[in-house]
Amino acid sequence: SQELEQSPQSLIVQEGKNLTINCTSSKTLYGLYWYKQKYGEGLIFLMMLQKGGEEKSHEKITAKLDEKKQQSSLHITASQPSHAGIYLCGAQHNNAGNMLTFGGGTRLMVKP
Amino acid sequence: DVKVTQSSRYLVKRTGEKVFLECVQDMDHENMFWYRQDPGLGLRLIYFSYDVKMKEKGDIPEGYSVSREKKERFSLILESASTNQTSMYLCASSDQTGPHQPQHFGDGTRLSIL
Repeated sequence: SQELEQSPQSLIVQEGKNLTINCTSSKTLYGLYWYKQKYGEGLIFLMMLQKGGEEKSHEKITAKLDEKKQQSSLHITASQPSHAGIYLCGAQHNNAGNMLTFGGGTRLMVKP
Repeated sequence: DVKVTQSSRYLVKRTGEKVFLECVQDMDHENMFWYRQDPGLGLRLIYFSYDVKMKEKGDIPEGYSVSREKKERFSLILESASTNQTSMYLCASSDQTGPHQPQHFGDGTRLSIL
């Protein structure tokens, strides 16, 4: 969706390296959801951000939402092969029915 | 844990056939969604439903219809399958108890139309 841009489209990192994925919205975000998808499978919910400046962490994954609530980043520390997959951000632009607009996804490969 | 089950992981059908994709969730969620996912196009919403017998068109409803006769089940119907409907189809559900409820996804159905 042009309303939501993810970068980079793909990423190859060496195991142990840190990485960051970005998600930028053309409109103010009411909520921002991060998902991970293993190849050929469904999406797994990681975390949700709603407040400007909010930051959440789960194990080695940290997500942040900027103060203006138009950009989010997902940071992985000390990447492992298990982190490989497609990361998608989903934007909630209003509070009507939990509707989400998804970014194009970032394909992450981690080399052992 | 929320469980969203799609009836088939892989499906092969022929052009012109009527195709049914079934999705069942076990968490009493009011909202259910059908998406298709294509390389370079991301996830696109086909239809969604807020309640039993309620349905709303998403971004790309052409060529599809849906049915929600029971709360736990949301079916996607391809009335007359065409090759451009070859895709990965994903079903999701979410709660209505608050404004920030994540969507929970099934494992997907990879549909090929020959």
